[in-house]
Order: sequence, then structure tokens, then C-alpha cells
Amino acid sequence: EAGVAQSPRYKIIEKRQSVAFWCNPISGHATLYWYQQILGQGPKLLIQFQNNGVVDDSQLPKDRFSAERLKGVDSTLKIQPAKLEDSAVYLCASSTRTGSVTYTGELFFGEGSRLTVL
Amino acid sequence: AQSVSQHNHHVILSEAASLELGCNYSYGGTVNLFWYVQYPGQHLQLLLKYFSGDPLVKGIKGFEAEFIKSKFSFNLRKPSVQWSDTAEYFCAVNAGQAGTALIFGKGTTLSVSS
Repeated sequence: EAGVAQSPRYKIIEKRQSVAFWCNPISGHATLYWYQQILGQGPKLLIQFQNNGVVDDSQLPKDRFSAERLKGVDSTLKIQPAKLEDSAVYLCASSTRTGSVTYTGELFFGEGSRLTVL
Repeated sequence: AQSVSQHNHHVILSEAASLELGCNYSYGGTVNLFWYVQYPGQHLQLLLKYFSGDPLVKGIKGFEAEFIKSKFSFNLRKPSVQWSDTAEYFCAVNAGQAGTALIFGKGTTLSVSS
């Protein structure tokens, strides 16, 4: 079974530039998450999708961050304009549909996209 | 709001030593509890989880964790660590009703010397 795919693995940009990250979840997983992991900290949820609808985006800095999952499969997270404090690893995770009989609570993570903002 | 505290930032052990990593959470309702591990250069993966039932749960690679509801704790243990256990360990929690995302602690880095 293929895992969660993310790209690019690494990105270096200057502040005020824009960047986009892509995620393809495990096939059949209805729920998709984007987390931000700053060095020395645990992952922090940015946004959670169920199919193509947003479940929770309360911690997404909406003035600069946006995310979409238009067809309920893959997803894109965009930052525009980037700030120095956005340097982090952006993790995508997926799970079976929350609330379904197949839901186990386990999130499956991709390898992450490491962003460095100079 | 939910939160998770991991007491140890960096733990250094010799092989065969016993391990206990502390985790406390803040939430008044029913919770699901998880430990994730991230080996060097790899993605986060589930070590073990607690949903209900026996508060002592066993995971992969000889790890276990005990849920103590009265202490809001979910400590991770292993009787004898190996060099290959060197990794970062994250405790996570979500609310008992299915649907909420995981809240993670800051993580504990475990270094095991051979």
C-alpha cells in the first residue's frame, strides 16, 4: 500500500515569496490533515479536511496560508507571502473517515516538506 | 482547550537500560491517547494507542504505555532499550468522539548508546 506522498521534500525561499506544498493521501482515506512542525516542537494542526470540506482550520493563519482539497483527494497548502517564522516542516497526514466504522484514530504521515525562509 | 505535556526533552540511556517517558494531558472529557515515533530520517509512525478498555496497552517493538485517568497521564515504557530505539517520541491526544485532530506534545528525543 502506498503511503502519504508529499512534495517537494525541501524548499528554500526568501521572505515575502510564495510557496506551495502538495500532498496525496493514502488511497481511500477521506480525512486529510496539514500540520506544521517547528524545530524543537511537536506538530501543530493547521487544517483538517474531510473529503473536500474543511473540518477545522482554526489555527491556520488565513492572512497568509491557504489550503484546498478540491476533489477530495490530493491537497495543496500555500503560503503567500512567507515570513521567517514559517520555517518548519509541513506534514501531511491522512486517516480513514472519522466517525466511520473503519476509523482507528491512527494518522498516517508523509515524510514532510521542509521549508526554509531566508 | 486540550494540551499535552511531555516532561523530558532529551533522554540519554545506555543499551539495556529501562525507559519511561512521561506524558500528561489536559482535557476533561473522554480522550484517545497515542504515542508516535520518528526515527532519524523517517516519517512519524504509530507506536501504540489507547481508546478504551485495558489501560495497559502494548505496541510495537516491546513498548507499552499505561493510561492513568486520575493522573491524566499516559507514560511510555520499555524494559530494555536498544540502540535502534534512538528516535523522537511524541505523545498525542484527541477528544473521545471521533473526528477531532490529534494534539501533540513537544516530543522527547531518546538517544541510546551502545
